[in-house]
Amino acid sequence: DAGVIQSPRHEVTEMGQEVTLRCKPISGHDYLFWYRQTMMRGLELLIYFNNNVPIDDSGMPEDRFSAKMPNASFSTLKIQPSEPRDSAVYFCASSRRSVTEAFFGQGTRLTVV
Amino acid sequence: GNSVTQMEGPVTLSEEAFLTINCTYTATGYPSLFWYVQYPGEGLQLLLKATKADDKGSNKGFEATYRKETTSFHLEKGSVQVSDSAVYFCALTDMDSNYQLIWGAGTKLIIKP
Repeated sequence: DAGVIQSPRHEVTEMGQEVTLRCKPISGHDYLFWYRQTMMRGLELLIYFNNNVPIDDSGMPEDRFSAKMPNASFSTLKIQPSEPRDSAVYFCASSRRSVTEAFFGQGTRLTVV
Repeated sequence: GNSVTQMEGPVTLSEEAFLTINCTYTATGYPSLFWYVQYPGEGLQLLLKATKADDKGSNKGFEATYRKETTSFHLEKGSVQVSDSAVYFCALTDMDSNYQLIWGAGTKLIIKP
């Protein structure tokens, strides 16, 4: 398996624009996680899905953030409108169960100017 | 609530030096404990884990022992290499966290040749 695949690897956008981050989890994994990593706040869990259903979105910072998982092989994280404070590395991870051994993608480095 | 505290970095060592990165935790139950490693430009990878008291996790020459009496899970390696340069994250899961990973802030390790 190719592992968790995220796209794009880098995204630079202007404030106010919509940003969509994409993730393809490992086949057969039924949990998918979206994390945000910054120097100030470290690694934060934004939302996670089980069998394509959002289970806990309490980490989503604002209504500007939304995430979907239309099927077992694809998820998106959308920010609309984007703001400079959204600049961070966003990681997607998947696991066969919720406990441990989460496999991470290489991340998307988002810069909002 | 549950929490994980790691020693602040960066930790700078010479090649072949002995490494210790301290990690202590607060948990009301019986957590499972983990070390993840993040190499530059990549996502996090599980390095090792321990699921009950006195267990020792080991991988790639790294070891950590689950010490319930001191609520610690310190990471050690007898002889580090330049390729070990990375950020190391201590984490836990248990029932109180709904089995989601609670992360430490990460410790950057720099190994000089």
